[in-house]
This record gives sequence, structure tokens and C-alpha cells, in this order.
Amino acid sequence: QSALTQPASVSGSPGQSITISCTGTSSDVGGYNYVSWYQQHPGKAPKLMIYDVSNRPSGISNRFSGSKSGNTASLTISGLQAEDEADYYCSSYRSSTTLEVVFGGGTKLTVL
Amino acid sequence: QLQLLESGPGLVKPSESLSLTCTVSGGSISSSSYYWGWIRQPPGKGLEWIGSIYYGGNTYYNPSLKSRVTISVDTSKNQFSLKLSSVTAADTAVYYCARNRKYYDSSGLRLNWFDPWGQGTLVTVSS
Repeated sequence: QSALTQPASVSGSPGQSITISCTGTSSDVGGYNYVSWYQQHPGKAPKLMIYDVSNRPSGISNRFSGSKSGNTASLTISGLQAEDEADYYCSSYRSSTTLEVVFGGGTKLTVL
Repeated sequence: QLQLLESGPGLVKPSESLSLTCTVSGGSISSSSYYWGWIRQPPGKGLEWIGSIYYGGNTYYNPSLKSRVTISVDTSKNQFSLKLSSVTAADTAVYYCARNRKYYDSSGLRLNWFDPWGQGTLVTVSS
């Protein structure tokens, strides 16, 4: 069982918007603004899409945005395009007896 | 630009040790702003953080793997390495290395996002 909870799948039509949730606890998502999101196409390495909850690395489309409320972070993709179809993972710093990084179980995005 | 490349055996026998190396090019591993991490992904499953190391040698490990994991760094070769002991079939996965951003805030050190990632290498545990 993954440390952070994501829906297994979401879908949307081209041009629509979708949101993927990532639920943790006050020890990770809720306690720190160190949430990041990754896109992974089949057979490829993950790619950083959002860091520090809502910041986009250089070169990432502004169709991707992130937010957080309480213990749940969210990734929103607007203006869905066929190439957005991929797996998406959230990640967070976690404070426990040591320092940790935890991932969500991943969400498969299907563009209909 | 910064690139990372994993290398090592693709097949390991059960109960033996898995050893991988990540070579960093296009930049120095001796950066004060980053740790260097290992992440794995079993076939068809999600990502799991294994651990991260600073160029000075300080390490943090996933508590669930800590008893079997050793991560080391060789700054002269711009490389860092992973050793996982007593492997079983459950350790079969694609292993990625990645640069791991670190921050300090009012309460201390935090490990944050991973970027860039290596291409990954599949390690199969089988006799």
C-alpha cells in the first residue's frame, strides 16, 4: 500500500480539464509545501511536472497546475491533449523518525 | 545539460546482493543544493524511494529497506552507487537514479523533488 493515496485512473476528452488528487497526512502533504508531481509515459523515466505544490519547472506547459488543501494535493491539467495520456505520481517529503520521501500509487490518465 | 546513467547487472540470484552505479555527466555531484537518490519501480507498479546521499556521504534510507540498503558516493568519478543485500523476487524492478533537491527550513533539512532522472535499468532477481 502506497504512502500517499491517488485514484487509480481518471479520464477526459480532448480540451477538457481533469484533476488528480493525492491524499496524505499532516506528517507529509499537510505539513509541508514539498509536494511534487511526475508524468511517466510507458517505458520512460518519470518527468518532473510540478514542484513545491504549485511551481512549474522551465519548459512545462502552463496547462499543468498544482494546489493543496489540508492533507490533499491536486494536479489539474487543462485543455487535455492526446500526449497527456500517461501515468501521474505525486510525491511528498515526510517527517517521521527520519527524513523520507514518499510517493503515491500513481494515476493512469486516459484521454478519450 | 545534466544527465544520469544507471549501470550494473540485469540479473541477480536470490539471496545475493544487487549493485548499481549512477554516473552523473554535465555537472558536478559535489553540489551543495542537492542529494542524489535511488528510486525503483516493480513491473506494472508504482514508484518507491530507496534512499538519497549527499556528496559528503550523509545518507537517508527508506525505513522499510534500511536494513538491506547501502548508498555510497565517489566524487572523484562523479558517481554514486546502490547496494541492496539479500534480494528476493520482490526486488525485481526498474531502478532509477535521480538528482534530489534539498531544502533547509526553520526545522531543518528536507528532501524534495527529483529531477532529472536516469533512463532506468531493469534488474531481475531469479535463479
